[in-house]
Amino acid sequence: GEDVEQSLFLSVREGDSSVINCTYTDSSSTYLYWYKQEPGAGLQLLTYIFSNMDMKQDQRLTVLLNKKDKHLSLRIADTQTGDSAIYFCAEQSGSARQLTFGSGTQLTVLP
Amino acid sequence: DAGVIQSPRHEVTEMGQEVTLRCKPISGHNSLFWYRQTMMRGLELLIYFNNNVPIDDSGMPEDRFSAKMPNASFSTLKIQPSEPRDSAVYFCASSLDSGETQYFGPGTRLLVL
Repeated sequence: GEDVEQSLFLSVREGDSSVINCTYTDSSSTYLYWYKQEPGAGLQLLTYIFSNMDMKQDQRLTVLLNKKDKHLSLRIADTQTGDSAIYFCAEQSGSARQLTFGSGTQLTVLP
Repeated sequence: DAGVIQSPRHEVTEMGQEVTLRCKPISGHNSLFWYRQTMMRGLELLIYFNNNVPIDDSGMPEDRFSAKMPNASFSTLKIQPSEPRDSAVYFCASSLDSGETQYFGPGTRLLVL
């Protein structure tokens, strides 16, 4: 079955860039997503990328996709304390309708 | 747009009691998903509906769990009888159509004592 892997923790200094990595196994994935979850809150859609793209930029967020290696990353430029949250990578394959989520990466931004 | 609405936001109940979680999807969305989030298992899809019809319920843990979608603007997830291991955050999400981007509600935090 599909599997999505993420590292559990990342700490960065305020103002630095954060890079959160994700690997997936389903080669038929059509869309890959990044969601953000703040403490006690639901999942907020941050961005997504279609599988035929290799990069997508949206303000401070840059998504890179290496389809050959099945590797996805989310770069947050100029990381702020408000970016502290859990970031989930999720993949959606063409034949299925549900999302398969990674375990989430807890990002801590230090002052 | 109000987004996906879930109620209650928090629920504390005793083992053996019936629990009903409610969800109102975004207006115009015709796909609805129920997820469960726990520390041990992360986010798991329980069931999803398309045009009010259950399409895949393979994630429903056991017969104690049931879900309904009587109309396009309302869904329930029921646990009867509840058990302590059901304690989790239950999320509802909706999308414009199957395979489209899913938008999540704030979740219901369930604690079964």
